[in-house]
Amino acid sequence: ELKVEQNPLFLSMQEGKNYTIYCNYSTTSDRLYWYRQDPGKSLESLFVLLSNGAVKQEGRLMASLDTKARLSTLHITAAVHDLSATYFCAPAGNKLTFGGGTRVLVKP
Amino acid sequence: GAVVSQHPSWVICKSGTSVKIECRSLDFQATTMFWYRQFPKQSLMLMATSNEGSKATYEQGVEKDKFLINHASLTLSTLTVTSAHPEDSSFYICSASRAGGGTDTQYFGPGTRLTVL
Repeated sequence: ELKVEQNPLFLSMQEGKNYTIYCNYSTTSDRLYWYRQDPGKSLESLFVLLSNGAVKQEGRLMASLDTKARLSTLHITAAVHDLSATYFCAPAGNKLTFGGGTRVLVKP
Repeated sequence: GAVVSQHPSWVICKSGTSVKIECRSLDFQATTMFWYRQFPKQSLMLMATSNEGSKATYEQGVEKDKFLINHASLTLSTLTVTSAHPEDSSFYICSASRAGGGTDTQYFGPGTRLTVL
């Protein structure tokens, strides 16, 4: 059974600084998704990473995948308040398995 | 493209009653639909996977007689929570994918918040 561990579970950020969220998973997966969830809302797709070494960037967010290490990272550059949300990673096996989520709070 | 809707967006019901939640793919045909449950401040947990025209596959620990899933067409799946109790109060999210298999991209609905009194 695929197990997914995200850390940290909570991240208090200062505006303008850089931070990284880590996603470790236990078994081989051929793709990995990152999602954002705002309070009371459903999931918003951020990235899908399809291969080892894949890197994708959108605005202040950059995601990467190392399939050998079974590790994905979500890097936030120069955090701004609008990025406050909960972020989930989800490697895909025969189904999506979600990490526990990282709650991000960006303070002025 | 790839829009998924859910109805209702929120529902309040009395304990012991049944509630039906609809999930529709609006602009594509969904071979597979998924139902997730999310408790406050927790992650999403897959409840079941349904393929059009066949019985749903439930995850371990999910009571199939309590959570009835019907995937009658390529654009509609329904989840019925039977004899709801307060512990069933949760955020229910469906997703849909064009092709079968868990690795295909899933498009998520906006969710349905169920409160059982």
